[in-house]
Amino acid sequence: DAGVTQSPTHLIKTRGQHVTLRCSPISGHKSVSWYQQVLGQGPQFIFQYYEKEERGRGNFPDRFSARQFPNYSSELNVNALLLGDSALYLCASSLGPQGAFFGQGTRLTVV
Amino acid sequence: AQSVTQLDSQVPVFEEAPVELRCNYSSSVSVYLFWYVQYPNQGLQLLLKYLSGSTLVKGINGFEAEFNKSQTSFHLRKPSVHISDTAEYFCAVSGSNTGNQFYFGTGTSLTVIP
Repeated sequence: DAGVTQSPTHLIKTRGQHVTLRCSPISGHKSVSWYQQVLGQGPQFIFQYYEKEERGRGNFPDRFSARQFPNYSSELNVNALLLGDSALYLCASSLGPQGAFFGQGTRLTVV
Repeated sequence: AQSVTQLDSQVPVFEEAPVELRCNYSSSVSVYLFWYVQYPNQGLQLLLKYLSGSTLVKGINGFEAEFNKSQTSFHLRKPSVHISDTAEYFCAVSGSNTGNQFYFGTGTSLTVIP
């Protein structure tokens, strides 16, 4: 079975632009969560979705939004990009609260 | 809300020596605890988890951890490390009622010296 897949793996954007990151969970996993990992730090929780509904939101500005589709894949959108949004964005999927499987991440660089 | 403190940012250790990576957590609700490992330019891999029951949990690659509720700790141990254990290790906590909303520590960089 394929693991959690994220696309793209890398991208470069200019300040003020918008970006969409995509995540496909492991087959059968209904919960998807998103994390931001700035270089040298631990991942920070952004969103969790379960069955297409938002179940949790971390301490991020409204420029960050997400959604989950009927096939349980998910998108993370970031508007009005800032230099400080440069980070590794991780997606995780799970069946329940017993731990999650993480994708390889999308490395976003804002210039 | 929950939070995690990893007390050591870097831990150098000689090959075949034992190692302990320290983690303390804070929470007002009952929690689940996890250790994840991250190799360079990769995502996170689950090493082990504590959900309930026995306070000593065993994970992959010979790692184990002990949950201590009174000291709010979840330290990771391995009796004999290998070069391949060189990586970043993250302790994480989630509320038992909030699913996979993890709060991670800042990480411990383990370097195994030949």
